[in-house]
Amino acid sequence: EPEVTQTPSHQVTQMGQEVILRCVPISNHLYFYWYRQILGQKVEFLVSFYNNEISEKSEIFDDQFSVERPDGSNFTLKIRSTKLEDSAMYFCASSRQVLSYNEQFFGPGTRLTVL
Amino acid sequence: DAKTTQPNSMESNEEEPVHLPCNHSTISGTDYIHWYRQLPSQGPEYVIHGLTSNVNNRMASLAIAEDRKSSTLILHRATLRDAAVYYCILSSGAGSYQLTFGKGTKLSVIP
Repeated sequence: EPEVTQTPSHQVTQMGQEVILRCVPISNHLYFYWYRQILGQKVEFLVSFYNNEISEKSEIFDDQFSVERPDGSNFTLKIRSTKLEDSAMYFCASSRQVLSYNEQFFGPGTRLTVL
Repeated sequence: DAKTTQPNSMESNEEEPVHLPCNHSTISGTDYIHWYRQLPSQGPEYVIHGLTSNVNNRMASLAIAEDRKSSTLILHRATLRDAAVYYCILSSGAGSYQLTFGKGTKLSVIP
């Protein structure tokens, strides 16, 4: 069964450093998302991406964040200058179509620890 | 955004049916009702969705009240692997496809 994959599974970085989190969505999916979950808190939407551009973004997704689909398979989240409060699980998701009821498939997540 | 209300936690015995309730009294006519779950240390996982009629799939059943102000996720026979946080989420469409997760219901399954 196709699945969303994410690398690395755990990333440790120093405050102020740039990090890139990578995702490989399911191959025939067209809509991509990033969510995050701070330890013990709710899953929060960050951004959605369709047709090579951002469709929606939340207040969390400020100028420190960017997303890119550099080739036909990868989808990346970059944090330019990490802060302590960026420590969280980051989940990538994808869906096949742009529909309000469309199932989103989530990856296993990348745990980001900012020291 | 239409909001949902779920109990913080529930317990079930293994191999017994589980009924997880969700209230969504401000649901609009075009809102779909989604259920996702999150097993420990994993990403969320789609369970089921519906609009007006009851729905069944291999994982669960979704019973939707006639006035659509509440719904119930039914796990017919709970297993230890079903221990997870279950989220009831409304999607409003209208160009927005993000999922807005609440705190969900933490289901514990007792052997």
